[in-house]
Amino acid sequence: AQSVTQLGSHVSVSEGALVLLRCNYSSSVPPYLFWYVQYPNQGLQLLLKYTSAATLVKGINGFEAEFKKSETSFHLTKPSAHMSDAAEYFCAVSDRADSSYKLIFGSGTRLLVRP
Amino acid sequence: DTGVSQDPRHKITKRGQNVTFRCDPISEHNRLYWYRQTLGQGPEFLTYFQNEAQLEKSRLLSDRFSAERPKGSFSTLEIQRTEQGDSAMYLCASSPRGSSYNEQFFGPGTRLTVL
Repeated sequence: AQSVTQLGSHVSVSEGALVLLRCNYSSSVPPYLFWYVQYPNQGLQLLLKYTSAATLVKGINGFEAEFKKSETSFHLTKPSAHMSDAAEYFCAVSDRADSSYKLIFGSGTRLLVRP
Repeated sequence: DTGVSQDPRHKITKRGQNVTFRCDPISEHNRLYWYRQTLGQGPEFLTYFQNEAQLEKSRLLSDRFSAERPKGSFSTLEIQRTEQGDSAMYLCASSPRGSSYNEQFFGPGTRLTVL
């Protein structure tokens, strides 16, 4: 069964610093990969997704993620953190062989941005 | 164009009571998903519909839970004889027909508190 590991339940960065949130998946066949952001008491908003095109995926709000098959990773980065980036970030996968396309989420990483 | 809406946003109930939540997907999205998110965790898949047909149910969906999508539009999730362990955020998502099945759009969620 698919699983997703997000290293670090909390990540703290200074405003203007690089943001790096880590995500590793478990399957030998690369799944569809997603990053979602969740602000307090709100639903999830899609930041970006990898389906099978370019390995470097650009998303909204200046975020991007790189798919690395050899490392089974899909880490999320942003060159310069902004206070408004403070939120919970979830990595999710969807098995290409599963016609339901249901999402399997990691446990999330809370990003704190210090002024 | 409105997004996915859920009602109510918050529900407080006493143990043993029944509750029902409603989800209105994006118009013309034929797939609808329900997820449950407990504190500090990522969302977990509960069930999904394609049009009015419920095609998969997670083992998390005990016999106290029932979901419907009678006309292939809105959906309801009912929990009978609620327990304190049912306290969670219940998220609904929809996705459109075609190759974008792998992109799901989430509603704001219904937060359930069972006293």
